[in-house]
Amino acid sequence: ILNVEQSPQSLHVQEGDSTNFTCSFPSSNFYALHWYRWETAKSPEALFVMTLNGDEKKKGRISATLNTKEGYSYLYIKGSQPEDSATYLCAFGGGATNKLIFGTGTLLAVQP
Amino acid sequence: GAVVSQHPSWVICKSGTSVKIECRSLDFQATTMFWYRQFPKQSLMLMATSNEGSKATYEQGVEKDKFLINHASLTLSTLTVTSAHPEDSSFYICSARGGTSSHYEQYFGPGTRLTVT
Repeated sequence: ILNVEQSPQSLHVQEGDSTNFTCSFPSSNFYALHWYRWETAKSPEALFVMTLNGDEKKKGRISATLNTKEGYSYLYIKGSQPEDSATYLCAFGGGATNKLIFGTGTLLAVQP
Repeated sequence: GAVVSQHPSWVICKSGTSVKIECRSLDFQATTMFWYRQFPKQSLMLMATSNEGSKATYEQGVEKDKFLINHASLTLSTLTVTSAHPEDSSFYICSARGGTSSHYEQYFGPGTRLTVT
C-alpha cells in the first residue's frame, strides 16, 4: 500500500513568520509530486507539479523542493499572510497509472 | 482556465434514498474524471476513475452498484449514491483531466457534503 504522509498536521503562525511543511512519499516508481492549496469551501488549487529530483519551484512567496531519491518534498512560505491560511495537500503520482495518492494535508492558520 | 464545478455543494437526504452529484468541466474537455471521498481527518481517497464514453474503473472496496458513475460527455460526470445510508455521509469531490494535461494534473471541483439521516 502506497503511503503519503504530511507533517505537521496543523500549524499556527503569526503574520510575517516563515514556515515549511513536509511531504513524504514512496521513493520508487516516482512520476510526479503535486502540491495543492485548499481553502475552505473552495476547490483545491494546484500550486506546483514537480517531476525531477532536485526540482525547485517558486510562486510568489511560496516555494517547494523535491528529493525523489529519499522520497520527500518541502513546501516553504516566506512571510506568511492571513490569506495564506488554508490546507496544503501533497499528492504522489506513480508511474504506469494516472492516479494520485494524497496525504492528509497540513492546516495552516496565520494570525494577523 | 481549467475550472470544474460541482453541484450541489451540500445535500441532506433520508436513509434509503438516492442522491446524484454532478461534476462539470466548464472551460475544457475532460477526457478523464475522478471521484474522491474524504472522511474527517483523512486524506482524499480515490473511489473511481471514469473516461468519457466508457465504464468507470472502481477502486478496491468501492461498491460499483452503490456508487453509480456516468461520464456521458466530455464536460459532465455524475455520481449517484444509491440507497444511501448514514455511513455514506461524507465529503465527495471530483476532479478532471483534459487531453492536454501533463504529469497527471487534475483540476478539482469544490466538493459536495452529503449527510444521510
